[in-house]
Amino acid sequence: EAQVTQNPRYLITVTGKKLTVTCSQNMNHEYMSWYRQDPGLGLRQIYYSMNVEVTDKGDVPEGYKVSRKEKRNFPLILESPSPNQTSLYFCASRRNEVDGYTFGSGTRLTVV
Amino acid sequence: SQQGEEDPQALSIQEGENATMNCSYKTSINNLQWYRQNSGRGLVHLILIRSNEREKHSGRLRVTLDTSKKSSSLLITASRAADTASYFCATVSSGGSNYKLTFGKGTLLTVNP
Repeated sequence: EAQVTQNPRYLITVTGKKLTVTCSQNMNHEYMSWYRQDPGLGLRQIYYSMNVEVTDKGDVPEGYKVSRKEKRNFPLILESPSPNQTSLYFCASRRNEVDGYTFGSGTRLTVV
Repeated sequence: SQQGEEDPQALSIQEGENATMNCSYKTSINNLQWYRQNSGRGLVHLILIRSNEREKHSGRLRVTLDTSKKSSSLLITASRAADTASYFCATVSSGGSNYKLTFGKGTLLTVNP
C-alpha cells in the first residue's frame, strides 16, 4: 500500500531533550515536506526536500533540522525542544513539484 | 504565510444536502488543491485543478476555479455523515523554485444524520 509512515504517533518529552520524528515513504517520491498544524494558525511548512541531499527552509524552520540521505526517509530533528514546539506534525510526500501530497497520519508532540 | 482563505469557517448541513466551500487566494498559482482532514488525522488529497482549467469533477466533488477572481469553490453533492471533516484549499504558486504548497485555515463541515 502506498503510504507515508511517521513515528511515533504520540510523544511527550521534556524541554531540551533531543528527539527525532521519523518519516518514510514507499512511493519513490522526489518531494517531501514537514508541516506543523496549530489551532488558529493552520498548516505551516517547516522544511522541504526536493531530492536526496537537497533540503531548504519553509516558513517556520527555527528550532528544527532535517536530513535527506535516502530518497524514502526524511526525519525531523528537534535538537533542543521547547514548549512552543508542542504541535501536531505531518510529513508529506509528492511525486513532483506540482502534484498533490500524500500525508502521514501525524505525530502529536507535547513538550513540557 | 497563508495564501488560501476558506469561507465559511464552519458549515453545518443535513445529510443529503449539498455543501459549498469557497477559497480565495492572493498570488498567481500553478494549481489549486483541496484536502480533507478528519479530526486530528492526516490530510487526504481530494482533487487538483490546474490554473488553465475552470472546472473539475471527481465522484460527488465538483471544483471550480476562477483565476481572474483568484477564487475556487468545492461542492460536495448529496452529503453524507461520513463527509464530516475539515476541508482545506492549498495553492502551488507559479514561478520560483520551491513550488510550495500553502494551505488555508480550513472549513469545518458537519453533516448531520
